[in-house]
Amino acid sequence: DQQVKQNSPSLSVQEGRISILNCDYTNSMFDYFLWYKKYPAEGPTFLISISSIKDKNEDGRFTVFLNKSAKHLSLHIVPSQPGDSAVYFCAAKLTGNQFYFGTGTSLTVIP
Amino acid sequence: DTGVSQNPRHKITKRGQNVTFRCDPISEHNRLYWYRQTLGQGPEFLTYFQNEAQLEKSRLLSDRFSAERPKGSFSTLEIQRTEQGDSAMYLCASSLDTAGGWETQYFGPGTRLLVL
Repeated sequence: DQQVKQNSPSLSVQEGRISILNCDYTNSMFDYFLWYKKYPAEGPTFLISISSIKDKNEDGRFTVFLNKSAKHLSLHIVPSQPGDSAVYFCAAKLTGNQFYFGTGTSLTVIP
Repeated sequence: DTGVSQNPRHKITKRGQNVTFRCDPISEHNRLYWYRQTLGQGPEFLTYFQNEAQLEKSRLLSDRFSAERPKGSFSTLEIQRTEQGDSAMYLCASSLDTAGGWETQYFGPGTRLLVL
């Protein structure tokens, strides 16, 4: 059962433009959401997170939006840079510290 | 501190053999997680420890999988009687439990297992 879904396997964006990565979830009991970035041959690296009591969290070029009624999460990267090219995973946490990850979106930022 | 380390980085084994992987977390982290990742998928939660206590193991894939963290520091994941379907990347992550519960997991580079 895929409780966290990333329906876009890939995304290409021009350098300097906005990248928007989307994530949908099915379990309303998730209380914490995270985005990770992964380069080949490395483990995922934490990027940004948001608790279920908030609807927005910002950190530099990265902003995460949470729409609980739609069970939808998005990551905005502005402006996009070539070094942002990687696979991005969204993840969600249940009480009891079980984490569920999406299948990932491969972002390519074109110089 | 150099982050989470995992050994070996690669393991090739024959079907039916047992394998053991090691994870050394960031030293002050009290939580340790194991995940499996197959091609085209995200990490799949297996189990986690708070110090030496294994608090969640219901999502271990079968009774062939077991994990330990005997002294609350490093952890091992063992797969007995390996099958070709066990071929995957096995990831370890550690975190520091915070009062608010909004922890950040730091991942190791993973151990890639190939079962022939």
